[in-house]
Amino acid sequence: GAGVSQSPSNKVTEKGKDVELRCDPISGHTALYWYRQSLGQGLEFLIYFQGNSAPDKSGLPSDRFSAERTGGSVSTLTIQRTQQEDSAVYLCASSLGRGGYGYTFGSGTRLTVV
Amino acid sequence: AQRVTQPEKLLSVFKGAPVELKCNYSYSGSPELFWYVQYSRQRLQLLLRHISRESIKGFTADLNKGETSFHLKKPFAQEEDSAMYYCALSGIMNTGNQFYFGTGTSLTVIP
Repeated sequence: GAGVSQSPSNKVTEKGKDVELRCDPISGHTALYWYRQSLGQGLEFLIYFQGNSAPDKSGLPSDRFSAERTGGSVSTLTIQRTQQEDSAVYLCASSLGRGGYGYTFGSGTRLTVV
Repeated sequence: AQRVTQPEKLLSVFKGAPVELKCNYSYSGSPELFWYVQYSRQRLQLLLRHISRESIKGFTADLNKGETSFHLKKPFAQEEDSAMYYCALSGIMNTGNQFYFGTGTSLTVIP
């Protein structure tokens, strides 16, 4: 596609439920990144994919968080047993995978856990 | 270890005044530095990158390897510059090419 697409744009869920967030990167972008942006906070790195593999998962805050990428394209971030502190904007970005090109960000998914 | 440091979480300047958003980095190789901006209710977008040596919307940033800094500057701030600014570093880590973002500086230009 022309840009990075994320869905849903907004998600309200009850505490304890599982949620899936989707990211569709720019076609041909081999690198894909998930970040979390909490109110008043900066960008918190979650996970990085190069192709279908995730060489850096160091940012996932707990084992309730997982992500996968299939076909070197779409990625899904799953949060199990959601907690109120999971409420944030989840941003996805993709790049060509080489330095110097910068990221292109999606518009994010605003997750609210009630 | 924090690779990108933005010491100011909040910065306010008057319209027409010069503005400088500070960014320092820690990286042993030759990094590539970027500034990203997020205007209210818009997505995060690339503002400029050091390899292009460009001026975007009147902003410039010079990579100072001696001071390991990449401060963002504009001589005369405008109200439309009010936004969240993130400094980012791209480098080759043991996990491959990786980006690191600072915690961001929220700039408010006072009319």
